[in-house]
Amino acid sequence: DTGVSQDPRHKITKRGQNVTFRCDPISEHNRLYWYRQTLGQGPEFLTYFQNEAQLEKSRLLSDRFSAERPKGSFSTLEIQRTEQGDSAMYLCASSLYSGGWAGENIQYFGAGTRLSVL
Amino acid sequence: AQSVTQLDSHVSVSEGTPVLLRCNYSSSYSPSLFWYVQHPNKGLQLLLKYTSAATLVKGINGFEAEFKKSETSFHLTKPSAHMSDAAEYFCVVSELTGNQFYFGTGTSLTVIP
Repeated sequence: DTGVSQDPRHKITKRGQNVTFRCDPISEHNRLYWYRQTLGQGPEFLTYFQNEAQLEKSRLLSDRFSAERPKGSFSTLEIQRTEQGDSAMYLCASSLYSGGWAGENIQYFGAGTRLSVL
Repeated sequence: AQSVTQLDSHVSVSEGTPVLLRCNYSSSYSPSLFWYVQHPNKGLQLLLKYTSAATLVKGINGFEAEFKKSETSFHLTKPSAHMSDAAEYFCVVSELTGNQFYFGTGTSLTVIP
């Protein structure tokens, strides 16, 4: 399978614990995005990278959230001191950005990591 | 600012009948618009995209969408529903460079045998 893969698929944690999710994009894609999806809502943009550079992070939900893409390939999303309100599906997407029109920047999504905070 | 409104949270159709999922957008410039489908336990899949080359856009699995600037709409249609079409559908508008996607709240499509 050469699509976007996310690990783990499910994570159950206790309130106050730290969690980390991994995303492996499509190999030739230079952009990687993180979204959060809560029940009954559409995905909500969090942050994105072009190669290893994080170009937008103002929409990360709080300073407990951080993301990295150290070598411009896989990425991790970390949530520190989890809260029950963090329970959601966390989606990763990747795209091959060539500087053109937005309609050409197609994002391909992974199946997500479902987080449950008890 | 960009946003989309999906007018129906749930749509139910009989197999073999037409499908209409409605989406209105708001954008301060000519938008990029997409429809994605989400099946349970699967990633979001692109159905079609509007690139301004044509107002009627054809996508996968027989779906189409028509961009109507005067109505700020981008409704998704299919002539004949199939059981496998049952899923959640999201209308998406992108800001100019395509870096940030803004999703609607989704429409859940049920197909009745």
